[in-house]
Amino acid sequence: DTEVTQTPKHLVMGMTNKKSLKCEQHMGHRAMYWYKQKAKKPPELMFVYSYEKLSINESVPSRFSPECPNSSLLNLHLHALQPEDSALYLCASSQDRSREHGYTFGSGTRLTVV
Amino acid sequence: KNQVEQSPQSLIILEGKNCTLQCNYTVSPFSNLRWYKQDTGRGPVSLTIMTFSENTKSNGRYTATLDADTKQSSLHITASQLSDSASYICVVRTDSWGKLQFGAGTQVVVTP
Repeated sequence: DTEVTQTPKHLVMGMTNKKSLKCEQHMGHRAMYWYKQKAKKPPELMFVYSYEKLSINESVPSRFSPECPNSSLLNLHLHALQPEDSALYLCASSQDRSREHGYTFGSGTRLTVV
Repeated sequence: KNQVEQSPQSLIILEGKNCTLQCNYTVSPFSNLRWYKQDTGRGPVSLTIMTFSENTKSNGRYTATLDADTKQSSLHITASQLSDSASYICVVRTDSWGKLQFGAGTQVVVTP
């Protein structure tokens, strides 16, 4: 299995809703990443997990809450989002932070906040 | 200021023709440079990765070059196909903790 799987593929949520994005990989990678990508812009790093521990938070608002329950799973919990948070959310994984062998992106979750 | 600049911003080419995309970077220190292909609404897919000592790498009809002295890279697409229509992103990794610096991408449209 050489894929990073993200679910759901599409999500529409209201500003008062709570939802979660899920990312899964079974390549034995120990570094996992969340990116946010607006239309026609490059991805922007949000969080980095290394060996299930949060190692980088790029000053992301607290309405985005990451969680890494185990080495294969990465979640992004969403609460009280704003319309400007609508974007493509990408998950990625690599062997570990220092060795990026196999740096692989998922297909993304298209999030729309209404 | 973005440390990875790509040109052109967009281009339209006829099916079967060749094209070359450019990437200039100022990222330092340098670990490696990747080219990704991203279809609209999908995640980026890696095409090539080159380290400091490599100056060319191919993946099918895609050939990337790297001049680490001038900090320039190019991606050449040979005999373009309609499925090549996508955004092509140049990504440079630094040596520190490995943060990736993304270019803004070149939007390629291949027409019949």
